[in-house]
Amino acid sequence: EPEVTQTPSHQVTQMGQEVILRCVPISNHLYFYWYRQILGQKVEFLVSFYNNEISEKSEIFDDQFSVERPDGSNFTLKIRSTKLEDSAMYFCASRKDREAAQYFGPGTRLTVT
Amino acid sequence: GESVGLHLPTLSVQEGDNSIINCAYSNSASDYFIWYKQESGKGPQFIIDIRSNMDKRQGQRVTVLLNKTVKHLSLQIAATQPGDSAVYFCAETPRGGSYKLIFGSGTRLLVRP
Repeated sequence: EPEVTQTPSHQVTQMGQEVILRCVPISNHLYFYWYRQILGQKVEFLVSFYNNEISEKSEIFDDQFSVERPDGSNFTLKIRSTKLEDSAMYFCASRKDREAAQYFGPGTRLTVT
Repeated sequence: GESVGLHLPTLSVQEGDNSIINCAYSNSASDYFIWYKQESGKGPQFIIDIRSNMDKRQGQRVTVLLNKTVKHLSLQIAATQPGDSAVYFCAETPRGGSYKLIFGSGTRLLVRP
């Protein structure tokens, strides 16, 4: 069964550094999302992406964040200058056209020191 | 504002019994309501969804009920098994957007052997 994959599983970085989190969505899905989950809290929406552009973003997704689909398979989230409060699990998700169900990857644990 | 919340933080059931996990929502303008299961260290796993114009939907061992009058959603798991132990989230997709998911805070289901 096709799955969303994410790399790396754990990323440790220093405050102020740039990080790129990578995702490979399910191949026949058209809509892509990033979410984050701070330890012990609920999952929060960051951004949605369709047809090579952002379709919606949350207040969390400020100018320090960007997303890109550099080729036909990868979907990336970049944080330009990480802050301590960016420490969280970051989940990528994708869905098919005309379906609500989003399928999540295993997540990347980002630790900012 | 938009919010999806859960009534109980922890539910403990005997193996073989039925489980009922509840969720209250406040946003009437949602297209879908979706249940996710999250095991420790993993991404949310899609269980079942229900469109806002439906009252009930059944899957394999699960049933979702939607009561729009009182803005209440429930997930019923039949013959609960140890593998069902996890945190369960309800989520909604606001109408007219990118089908982003707005998650509730989660209920932990513990299955006693």
